[in-house]
Amino acid sequence: ETGVTQTPRHLVMGMTNKKSLKCEQHLGHNAMYWYKQSAKKPLELMFVYSLEERVENNSVPSRFSPECPNSSHLFLHLHTLQPEDSALYLCASSPQTGIFSSYTFGSGTRLTVV
Amino acid sequence: DQQVKQNSPSLSVQEGRISILNCDYTNSMFDYFLWYKKYPAEGPTFLISISSIKDKNEDGRFTVFLNKSAKHLSLHIVPSQPGDSAVYFCAASEKETSGSRLTFGEGTQLTVNP
Repeated sequence: ETGVTQTPRHLVMGMTNKKSLKCEQHLGHNAMYWYKQSAKKPLELMFVYSLEERVENNSVPSRFSPECPNSSHLFLHLHTLQPEDSALYLCASSPQTGIFSSYTFGSGTRLTVV
Repeated sequence: DQQVKQNSPSLSVQEGRISILNCDYTNSMFDYFLWYKKYPAEGPTFLISISSIKDKNEDGRFTVFLNKSAKHLSLHIVPSQPGDSAVYFCAASEKETSGSRLTFGEGTQLTVNP
């Protein structure tokens, strides 16, 4: 375990479903991130939170809705997804934004939209 | 427009030999570069980094070389071990400070054969 825990590990959902991905860290980090990794593509930054405040929304469709209720938890709420949204969703944290060598990633949630 | 590219999706080497993973970038503003390693079912972990003021950084069996004029960096692993088999991601940033963002490559699957 890296200190960043993501649940569930796998998720299959229909296009009309609503589901949520959860990320939890107890490293005392102040920044948390959602990344998307599609097959054979680079990791794409989706959202950045610093001290529970969203500091970046990287042109992500509104069917993805992040929530950061406190510095230890980050959620990604999913609604009316498309099959092309199937991917590995990775959560990461760092002591503060921009300190990349201290990024700690979770193991990811493998999402399949059917 | 993909600013960080890893043109080899896979690389296979024999145990004990050198592994060379390559990465090219297009953004001349990048001045901090990192390599991450990812095992199946785990998140990426930081491996080694280099700042643009250097052309080489070494950490044990891992060495990263940076050629700024060619906008190219490479990761050398010597000697390669079967436990090095993983996906290696190259990443770049304009600077490692708060507010900066990482841009990742697509990854290279390294397989080290016993």
